[in-house]
Amino acid sequence: EPEVTQTPSHQVTQMGQEVILRCVPISNHLYFYWYRQILGQKVEFLVSFYNNEISEKSEIFDDQFSVERPDGSNFTLKIRSTKLEDSAMYFCASTPTATHSSFGAFFGQGTRLTVV
Amino acid sequence: AQKVTQAQTEISVVEKEDVTLDCVYETRDTTYYLFWYKQPPSGELVFLIRRNSFDEQNEISGRYSWNFQKSTSSFNFTITASQVVDSAVYFCALRRETSGSRLTFGEGTQLTVNP
Repeated sequence: EPEVTQTPSHQVTQMGQEVILRCVPISNHLYFYWYRQILGQKVEFLVSFYNNEISEKSEIFDDQFSVERPDGSNFTLKIRSTKLEDSAMYFCASTPTATHSSFGAFFGQGTRLTVV
Repeated sequence: AQKVTQAQTEISVVEKEDVTLDCVYETRDTTYYLFWYKQPPSGELVFLIRRNSFDEQNEISGRYSWNFQKSTSSFNFTITASQVVDSAVYFCALRRETSGSRLTFGEGTQLTVNP
């Protein structure tokens, strides 16, 4: 069964450093997302990406964040200068075409980011 | 704006008890989708069910059942004869009909099933 794959599963970084979280969405999906979950809290939407551009972003997704689809398979989230409060689980997700718009998101297993 | 409320922060039951997780939502849309996800201690998000707003038929899948009531904006989830493996955080979520729309999650309910 196809799945969304995220790497690494856990990353520790020093405050102020740049991090890149990587995701390989399901191959025939067209919509890609990043969500964040601070420990013990709910899952929060960060950004959605379609047709090589951001389609929607939340107030959390400020100038420190950026997304990119550098090739035909990877989808990345970059945090330019990490802060302690960026420590969270980051989930990548994808959804299929418009004809399957009722589908919920298919989530990756998450990357736990710890900023020290 | 869309909002999902899961008023039950934590529920603890003994194995084989039935348990219902509540979910209330707010949306101005007439067409939308509702979801339940399970997050076990390992952390991943496991899709359980999707429900269209125009389909109020209740659904049963094994020990799981869902009660969707549009009149009260509720989408409750019942586990019958709970098992220890059901212990997890359960999230209710809402999204618009539009392709590529975000999921709006509730705060989650931590279910602990004790042997």
